[in-house]
Amino acid sequence: SAVISQKPSRDICQRGTSLTIQCQVDSQVTMMFWYRQQPGQSLTLIATANQGSEATYESGFVIDKFPISRPNLTFSTLTVSNMSPEDSSIYLCSVDKRERRYNEQFFGPGTRLTVL
Amino acid sequence: KQEVTQIPAALSVPEGENLVLNCSFTDSAIYNLQWFRQDPGKGLTSLLLIQSSQREQTSGRLNASLDKSSGRSTLYIAASQPGDSATYLCAAGSGNTPLVFGKGTRLSVIA
Repeated sequence: SAVISQKPSRDICQRGTSLTIQCQVDSQVTMMFWYRQQPGQSLTLIATANQGSEATYESGFVIDKFPISRPNLTFSTLTVSNMSPEDSSIYLCSVDKRERRYNEQFFGPGTRLTVL
Repeated sequence: KQEVTQIPAALSVPEGENLVLNCSFTDSAIYNLQWFRQDPGKGLTSLLLIQSSQREQTSGRLNASLDKSSGRSTLYIAASQPGDSATYLCAAGSGNTPLVFGKGTRLSVIA
């Protein structure tokens, strides 16, 4: 398994500002992902955070809005830029240690963001 | 493109009842099927992972089964308790891509 921590656990932000969410893993992992979960909805993948290169974004998500860093194999950040109330969600970091052929993902506790 | 569906969307049962949550997926070429639990406003806790070569996995009162040919998985919860109240999510893994999630089943166990 993997122990994942996220900071902050929650925040209330003003429209037009930006928030950076940190994800720290207790061991080196091959793949890290960022998901969004809007109220009452399931998880939507935002992007795959690639170590040493630009993140791979899913359809509907762009780097200018959700810049991602991954400086090493245990840490990543997601920034939610120029926020609007529609960005109010839980943001979840997930890892796949990819030690085996199949993928088993583990999740952090999430960051609950409210935009006023 | 893989799509995962969970039925029912919500379920309310009295304490002590055995129950089954259903998950179906469109692409049977999966490597694994993973079940998660999510408490309100929290992250996801992994419950069970079934590899494509397996038929079922058990952990305590939980039993998950997998039928690749029919594109179905079930999560069986025995002797349900109020502490089991949560949203249960299933996700299909194809090996090279992130998990694809269903919308979840919101379970309420009434004391």
